[in-house]
Amino acid sequence: EPEVTQTPSHQVTQMGQEVILRCVPISNHLYFYWYRQILGQKVEFLVSFYNNEISEKSEIFDDQFSVERPDGSNFTLKIRSTKLEDSAMYFCASSEYTGVGGELFFGEGSRLTVL
Amino acid sequence: GESVGLHLPTLSVQEGDNSIINCAYSNSASDYFIWYKQESGKGPQFIIDIRSNMDKRQGQRVTVLLNKTVKHLSLQIAATQPGDSAVYFCAENPFGQKAGNMLTFGGGTRLMVKP
Repeated sequence: EPEVTQTPSHQVTQMGQEVILRCVPISNHLYFYWYRQILGQKVEFLVSFYNNEISEKSEIFDDQFSVERPDGSNFTLKIRSTKLEDSAMYFCASSEYTGVGGELFFGEGSRLTVL
Repeated sequence: GESVGLHLPTLSVQEGDNSIINCAYSNSASDYFIWYKQESGKGPQFIIDIRSNMDKRQGQRVTVLLNKTVKHLSLQIAATQPGDSAVYFCAENPFGQKAGNMLTFGGGTRLMVKP
């Protein structure tokens, strides 16, 4: 069964450092997303991406965050200067289409720990 | 503010019994609801969804009920098995087709199945 894959599974970084989280969405999917989950809290929407541009973003997704699809397979989330509060599990997801019925397939997540 | 919330943080059931997990939502504009299962160390996994023009939808051993009058969503799992042990999240899409899968997640209920 096709799946969304994410790397790294766990990254530890110092505050102020740049971090890039990588995702390979399901190959025939056109819509890509990043969500995050702070330990013990809700899963929160960060950003959606379609046709090489951001479709929607939440208040969390400030200027420190950026997304990119550098080639035909990868989808990345970059945090330019990490803060302690960026520590969370980051989930990439993809869907074949958007809106009602467009099932999201999530990866297993990348745990980011900022020290 | 607008939110999706859960009544019970932990539900413990005996193997073979039926489970009912509840969710309250407050955004009356939401037109699409999804239940996700999250096992430890993994990403959310789609279980079942329902559109706002329906009040019941059945899958394999799972049923989702939607009561728009009181803004309530429930997930029923028949003949609960140890493999059903996980955290269950409800999620809503408050923006329909306009904002794709910009889902709002509830806080999660932990289901524990006793053998």
